[in-house]
Amino acid sequence: AQKVTQAQTEISVVEKEDVTLDCVYETRDTTYYLFWYKQPPSGELVFLIRRNSFDEQNEISGRYSWNFQKSTSSFNFTITASQVVDSAVYFCALSEQGTGANNLFFGTGTRLTVIP
Amino acid sequence: DAGVIQSPRHEVTEMGQEVTLRCKPISGHDYLFWYRQTMMRGLELLIYFNNNVPIDDSGMPEDRFSAKMPNASFSTLKIQPSEPRDSAVYFCASSSIWGQGNSGANVLTFGAGSRLTVL
Repeated sequence: AQKVTQAQTEISVVEKEDVTLDCVYETRDTTYYLFWYKQPPSGELVFLIRRNSFDEQNEISGRYSWNFQKSTSSFNFTITASQVVDSAVYFCALSEQGTGANNLFFGTGTRLTVIP
Repeated sequence: DAGVIQSPRHEVTEMGQEVTLRCKPISGHDYLFWYRQTMMRGLELLIYFNNNVPIDDSGMPEDRFSAKMPNASFSTLKIQPSEPRDSAVYFCASSSIWGQGNSGANVLTFGAGSRLTVL
């Protein structure tokens, strides 16, 4: 079973628009961790955020914000006032305490294109 | 810190040849991971080490793949013999569970990847 689902394969927005990337996860562990990584065209994977299952407080970092809702098993990522530099593939990932919290299960990614 | 360093960045080889990918983790990190990224399967964990000891190699596709970590600053992923279906980007990542606050989960720092093409 897919542990992390990113239903949006590709999204295109015009610069300065807001965009939300969806992430739905599945786990039986009560302790788990959620991540977002960014993969720009250069190919590297850049860590953006980590949350644990006991902390549902939403987080904002500049133009980025994350909405964690355990009730819907979702961990959505919003970019406000998007910029061309935000164009990348964004991956949501899950690790579970039951597996030692060392294996990241990645979603299939959402390719975001910001059009100038 | 220079981050996780991988080499080569690009490798083109012919089927049947041996391929060795190299990784230097971030100094002080005690976990090292090898991931593979393909269009068909996305990002998948191949193997990870803790303190140079392989902990979980269940993701290694078959006996043609092997990984070693002879010391804390170096790891290799070897494919012998290589096949066209091994073509992918191979990422090395490292982490330390210490210094991550109280979250208890590793934050992986990835290298730039090694793009392998097997003809």
